[in-house]
Amino acid sequence: NAGVTQTPKFQVLKTGQSMTLQCAQDMNHEYMSWYRQDPGMGLRLIHYSVGAGITDQGEVPNGYNVSRSTTEDFPLRLLSAAPSQTSVYFCASSYSGARVGSPLHFGNGTRLTVT
Amino acid sequence: DQQVKQNSPSLSVQEGRISILNCDYTNSMFDYFLWYKKYPAEGPTFLISISSIKDKNEDGRFTVFLNKSAKHLSLHIVPSQPGDSAVYFCAAKMRQLTFGSGTQLTVLP
Repeated sequence: NAGVTQTPKFQVLKTGQSMTLQCAQDMNHEYMSWYRQDPGMGLRLIHYSVGAGITDQGEVPNGYNVSRSTTEDFPLRLLSAAPSQTSVYFCASSYSGARVGSPLHFGNGTRLTVT
Repeated sequence: DQQVKQNSPSLSVQEGRISILNCDYTNSMFDYFLWYKKYPAEGPTFLISISSIKDKNEDGRFTVFLNKSAKHLSLHIVPSQPGDSAVYFCAAKMRQLTFGSGTQLTVLP
């Protein structure tokens, strides 16, 4: 099993450009989520999904879109990149949203720089 | 306003000794607490968890303690090993997970 796979590993964008961060999992997890990690701030939830066709906003959703057309994939779209979106992005999945006995499994991250 | 706080950005411990990582939270509605470990250039990996109905959970060298009255969580690693050197995040769950800012643990050989 590959677990949670994120692509690309690194990306540099110019302000105003758009792009999609890819996330795929092969564990048949219903729950998927996107976090960003910034120095001194830990991981903050951007968007999450409890199943195909269902998405919801997290703590810091502005500037990001998501969709969940399949159980396996949960792409994160940056509509018009801004320097404030420079961060490391992590995708995570679990059977049922980090309940007891169902911790989140994380990908290895995408490091995004916006100039 | 951070609901989950790790007030020590870094901690150094001698190999073989105990490492104690601390975490404080403000919301009494959190019902599940977890610790994650993160190596550079990798994603966080789950380490140990505890439900709010318990006050202690052990898994090998790792023990998590929960003090609900103080809203305090701690992770004990005994004995500490150089391979334990990593960033440790605590997390608390109500509807979603809220993470602390992390503590860099360095275990010195």
